[in-house]
Amino acid sequence: SSELTQDPAVSVALGQTVRITCQGDSLRTYYATWYQQKPRQAPVLVIYGKNNRPSGIPDRFSGSSSGNTASLTITRAQAEDEADYYCSSRDSGGTLVDVIFGGGTKLTVL
Amino acid sequence: QVTLKESGPVLVKPTETLTLTCTVSGFSFSNVRLGVSWIRQPPGKALEWLAHIFSNDEKSYSTSLESRLTISKDTSKSQVVLTMTNMDPLDTATYYCARMGLETYDYDAFDFWGQGTMVTVSS
Repeated sequence: SSELTQDPAVSVALGQTVRITCQGDSLRTYYATWYQQKPRQAPVLVIYGKNNRPSGIPDRFSGSSSGNTASLTITRAQAEDEADYYCSSRDSGGTLVDVIFGGGTKLTVL
Repeated sequence: QVTLKESGPVLVKPTETLTLTCTVSGFSFSNVRLGVSWIRQPPGKALEWLAHIFSNDEKSYSTSLESRLTISKDTSKSQVVLTMTNMDPLDTATYYCARMGLETYDYDAFDFWGQGTMVTVSS
């Protein structure tokens, strides 16, 4: 199966913009999905598809993709954005559903 | 509103079989695009997808764990059940159930998650 690679940790100054990346061969074919996970909480969907945000997710969050790399961009970073961020995508397996996750990126807002 | 809630044992012994139940509300399995997955997360580690069941009972499993997993659902009880055989201490993790919704189906994305249930494997 494929793998998704993320930087373990990223930091951003309050109010600035940060890009969190995810690399993997599956991203050449499938869109990345992004989840936010705060300590001791379940993941929350923030971006799916080309650049879709579920209801309630601020428009400061956006997604993009190029080649084998997907990116989650957070503009005007807020203290509450400090969390772990996981990318996922469909794997190239033949099953109906076959999801792989990246290792996660810990975002620190300074 | 859509909710999912996991339940099951907190502690299991090595070699035992784990049975987890996900009770859902706020949606029904009336649309074939709707489905529920089980996903786990060892302490301090990344998420790992385990299995998925669609409204029409079609199932998918992680290739690395397929031999140990069984997913099923009881529509009348709004429950999805996961069994995992031959438990090992490395299976210690928080186990989540999550919904793949009508808008996220095309992207294998999970729009609602349960709170998770921590399972420890130890003798």
